[in-house]
Amino acid sequence: ETGVTQTPRHLVMGMTNKKSLKCEQHLGHNAMYWYKQSAKKPLELMFVYNFKEQTENNSVPSRFSPECPNSSHLFLHLHTLQPEDSALYLCASSQVLGDTDTQYFGPGTRLTVL
Amino acid sequence: LAKTTQPISMDSYEGQEVNITCSHNNIATNDYITWYQQFPSQGPRFIIQGYKTKVTNEVASLFIPADRKSSTLSLPRVSLSDTAVYYCLVGDRRGGKLIFGQGTELSVKP
Repeated sequence: ETGVTQTPRHLVMGMTNKKSLKCEQHLGHNAMYWYKQSAKKPLELMFVYNFKEQTENNSVPSRFSPECPNSSHLFLHLHTLQPEDSALYLCASSQVLGDTDTQYFGPGTRLTVL
Repeated sequence: LAKTTQPISMDSYEGQEVNITCSHNNIATNDYITWYQQFPSQGPRFIIQGYKTKVTNEVASLFIPADRKSSTLSLPRVSLSDTAVYYCLVGDRRGGKLIFGQGTELSVKP
């Protein structure tokens, strides 16, 4: 248990569906991150938020829309996804933006796009 | 950011010491070396971080030679539960990004 929770743990959706992934951290951290991990590929950083403000969008397609209503919650809204978007989506948080030794990851959401 | 190179996979047996070496020839003066561990279907977990010489914690040791162009993660007396992917990352300790490579898939056998 890392103090970072993600729901749902598994999600299957069609290409025309709209769904949202939720992340919540109970650590009092100020920075939150979304990563994508495709099969047999390294983790890719998608978005970074610091004190609710987006500080980085790593050239992510607009069909992925993040939202950070407060420092404890992070959402990833999904719409009109493609089968190649199937992956493990990981949320992480850290006390300070860009900490490399104290990023805590959630268990991830396994997404399958049909 | 410095690129890292590490073996794709390693096999070991329970009770053995495992050493995973990572090459980072282009490491910068301000860069730290950080190792993360990832179990299947879980997010990565921080193991250890160092700048030079040797760092030890309750989980592992990290050996860094004087030129800092490589580092070795040492896991003492591994058990089956140490089967995971181990990532070596190099970058600023603060204000940096976690840039993950392919990692080393460690398989511990009975």
